Amino acid sequence: DSGVTQTPKHLITATGQRVTLRCSPRSGDLSVYWYQQSLDQGLQFLIQYYNGEERAKGNILERFSAQQFPDLHSELNLSSLELGDSALYFCASSPGNTGELFFGEGSRLTVL
Amino acid sequence: DQQVKQNSPSLSVQEGRISILNCDYTNSMFDYFLWYKKYPAEGPTFLISISSIKDKNEDGRFTVFLNKSAKHLSLHIVPSQPGDSAVYFCAAATGGTSYGKLTFGQGTILTVHP
Repeated sequence: DSGVTQTPKHLITATGQRVTLRCSPRSGDLSVYWYQQSLDQGLQFLIQYYNGEERAKGNILERFSAQQFPDLHSELNLSSLELGDSALYFCASSPGNTGELFFGEGSRLTVL
Repeated sequence: DQQVKQNSPSLSVQEGRISILNCDYTNSMFDYFLWYKKYPAEGPTFLISISSIKDKNEDGRFTVFLNKSAKHLSLHIVPSQPGDSAVYFCAAATGGTSYGKLTFGQGTILTVHP
């Protein structure tokens, strides 16, 4: 158990819909990261927040947005969903700005 | 453009033998490298890392070697155990704003046979 909690574990929705994925980092970790793992792309960095502020951005689509709240939990919002958005979305946390990340079990999104 | 490549999709090894997983990168700005392993239905777990100022880092049965001139790193597991069977991801980062912004390889499935 990494200490990082992601909900929901599985989500099935239709094209055009909007979903929110939630992440609770390990206690005390200030950094939260979102990664997307799709079959053909592998693990791709989406975005990082540090203590409520956006710290780094990857190839995150404009249809996607994220935020980190004062209690340090984070949400990833995916809108106008397309079939290609079907993937495993991982949240990870770390105490600082280090590559030693603690990953959650992921949220599997299926867009039909 | 895949900046981190793991050219072997899978590797099969006998228990007790050495497992060698390889990784190549193209971006010379990468200065921090990590290995993660992943079991089914779990998130990746950090295994070992190495800074570009070193060429070797050891942690128990796991050793990572870095060859900067060849832009190549490898993970050695000695001796291999059946519990090591998992997907292994190589990752790289550039210093500066975020070492958590990792670029991952596609992964290598390691199977250790009893």
